[in-house]
Amino acid sequence: GAGVSQSPSNKVTEKGKDVELRCDPISGHTALYWYRQSLGQGLEFLIYFQGNSAPDKSGLPSDRFSAERTGGSVSTLTIQRTQQEDSAVYLCASSRGLASNFRETQYFGPGTRLLVL
Amino acid sequence: DAKTTQPPSMDCAEGRAANLPCNHSTISGNEYVYWYRQIHSQGPQYIIHGLKNNETNEMASLIITEDRKSSTLILPHATLRDTAVYYCIVRVLGNQFYFGTGTSLTVIP
Repeated sequence: GAGVSQSPSNKVTEKGKDVELRCDPISGHTALYWYRQSLGQGLEFLIYFQGNSAPDKSGLPSDRFSAERTGGSVSTLTIQRTQQEDSAVYLCASSRGLASNFRETQYFGPGTRLLVL
Repeated sequence: DAKTTQPPSMDCAEGRAANLPCNHSTISGNEYVYWYRQIHSQGPQYIIHGLKNNETNEMASLIITEDRKSSTLILPHATLRDTAVYYCIVRVLGNQFYFGTGTSLTVIP
């Protein structure tokens, strides 16, 4: 089936505005992850969903960042009052969400490139 | 979380085997070794993973040392399209993958 999709692919916004980023996981995948990648850096974990719940929000950098997932499928990452340091590529991944976590392969979407002016 | 050490960059001649090393000396017994790659402006792409035994698929081979403290990803016949950043990941904590900065592989014509 289709892979992980994300929208928009690119987003330019002004400092102080709110943005919403969307992720459609692979059909049937119950686990969903958000990461961000700043220019020239590795991936930074943000949040993990299992179904609609988020057992691990440890990576969210501040309270301006939030995410939700409804219906166990689509997820939205919201950044309020954006700052220039929020500029990055935001990547979403999904996996089957089975109990044997150490064997989970994550499949990534193409990312949303956010630029805060 | 377990740390991984990879060389920051490597070159490989087109058509030759590319051998990408990774050290993970603090890996624990039930942690798998995963390899992903990221081609410029794309999301990371899964390549291969393993626990103890060597693994091979259509993309690559993974050689894990007996003590599991290091591994090598082998691309048997590198092409220009294999130019990418390759990430070795050995820690899955609460389903998180901890990506380091990886190895930037350049395949030279």
